[in-house]
Amino acid sequence: KQEVTQIPAALSVPEGENLVLNCSFTDSAIYNLQWFRQDPGKGLTSLLLIQSSQREQTSGRLNASLDKSSGRSTLYIAASQPGDSATYLCAWADSNYQLIWGAGTKLIIKP
Amino acid sequence: DAGVTQSPTHLIKTRGQQVTLRCSPKSGHDTVSWYQQALGQGPQFIFQYYEEEERQRGNFPDRFSGHQFPNYSSELNVNALLLGDSALYLCASSLPTGDNEQYFGPGTRLTVT
Repeated sequence: KQEVTQIPAALSVPEGENLVLNCSFTDSAIYNLQWFRQDPGKGLTSLLLIQSSQREQTSGRLNASLDKSSGRSTLYIAASQPGDSATYLCAWADSNYQLIWGAGTKLIIKP
Repeated sequence: DAGVTQSPTHLIKTRGQQVTLRCSPKSGHDTVSWYQQALGQGPQFIFQYYEEEERQRGNFPDRFSGHQFPNYSSELNVNALLLGDSALYLCASSLPTGDNEQYFGPGTRLTVT
């Protein structure tokens, strides 16, 4: 069974801290991996997409890495802000473009 | 440029009823995927439509069906609603080639009573 595990399930940190969210997957035959942000009761916003041939992607204060051999991806958030508070989900796409999802990490940034 | 749009925003139905949810893809996108997200969980893939055909299907019963129109918009139909069908239903659009990045709509919150 294909699985995606996100650790931790919840995280609360003071504003300004750098933090790392983890995503592990059981299938190395991924096509790409995406990180999303979801605000309460809302849809999903794509943050970063990493192709299977890439090692990392950066956008502003966000950096995502991918290690297929170990089945892991990390999302690094620098200088966290209260507006970063949300649930962060990772999902990988198989060759049929079907996304397989983790349950997410709920992040709270305290002012 | 309009992103992915979904309607309605919220919906309340009774067990046994049928429901239709609608999705318009991002401009230039011709592939639409539907996902079900129960509270506190990650989304689950329902199916994907491309060129008006169902291309992929997740582990959902036949009560869940869909359609894609020539303008690439799509509908999700659920028959014989169960309490367990209560969820946020998300639509995503993408291109069939390239990096296949999926763009999501705001979702439809379905409550079955």
